Amino acid sequence: QSALTQPASVSGSPGQSITISCTGSRSDAGSYNLVSWYQQHPGKAPKLLIYEGNKRPSGVSDRFSGSKSGNTASLTISGLQADDESDYYCLSYIGSSTVVFGGGTKLTVL
Amino acid sequence: QVQLVQSGAEVKKPGASVRVSCKASGYTFTNYYLHWVRQAPGQGLEWMGIINHGGDRATYAQKFQGRVTMTRDTSTSTVYMELSSLTSEDTAVYYCARGVTYYWYFDLWGRGTLVTVSS
Repeated sequence: QSALTQPASVSGSPGQSITISCTGSRSDAGSYNLVSWYQQHPGKAPKLLIYEGNKRPSGVSDRFSGSKSGNTASLTISGLQADDESDYYCLSYIGSSTVVFGGGTKLTVL
Repeated sequence: QVQLVQSGAEVKKPGASVRVSCKASGYTFTNYYLHWVRQAPGQGLEWMGIINHGGDRATYAQKFQGRVTMTRDTSTSTVYMELSSLTSEDTAVYYCARGVTYYWYFDLWGRGTLVTVSS
């Protein structure tokens, strides 16, 4: 059960858009449209941002969006704000009642 | 209020076991799975396993099989995670998270329980 691959870090300036990728094999993220994304501020529990690849829970800003192409899922944050500076994780169902996280991406807002 | 309330921090010696609890409130306990996720200091999130609605079936990540046990008490809306044969590498914050059935995402998280393993 190897972790999904995310870039270790990304950065952007306020107002810009950034995209975080999450790449798996055909046996995990590639086979299922059951990818979710989480934001985690230091010392806090993760927060759900996106589920089922591209759906937003109530209360999550529409600046956050998800997509998927082949074996890669992506999280895009538009109109970057200072409070978006955080760690971001993808999660995918990989079958047999198991899931796996990506390694996490640290977003820096310049 | 919909929430998951976890037990307090623990300090354990190497070789010992730890049991962390997670009490649900504000929703129908038996409608959701419960997962356990851990995070070592400065590291990423790591999924440990899941226990089903009725508590009669648990699935564990391969890494923890044989060392972790997850149980569920529907009478008190509480789930438990016990990890045995602790080493310093088990020092981490342990989270419980509510899993949406069949869709495999976590929509509610506990605040986490710090488990420190030290001699």
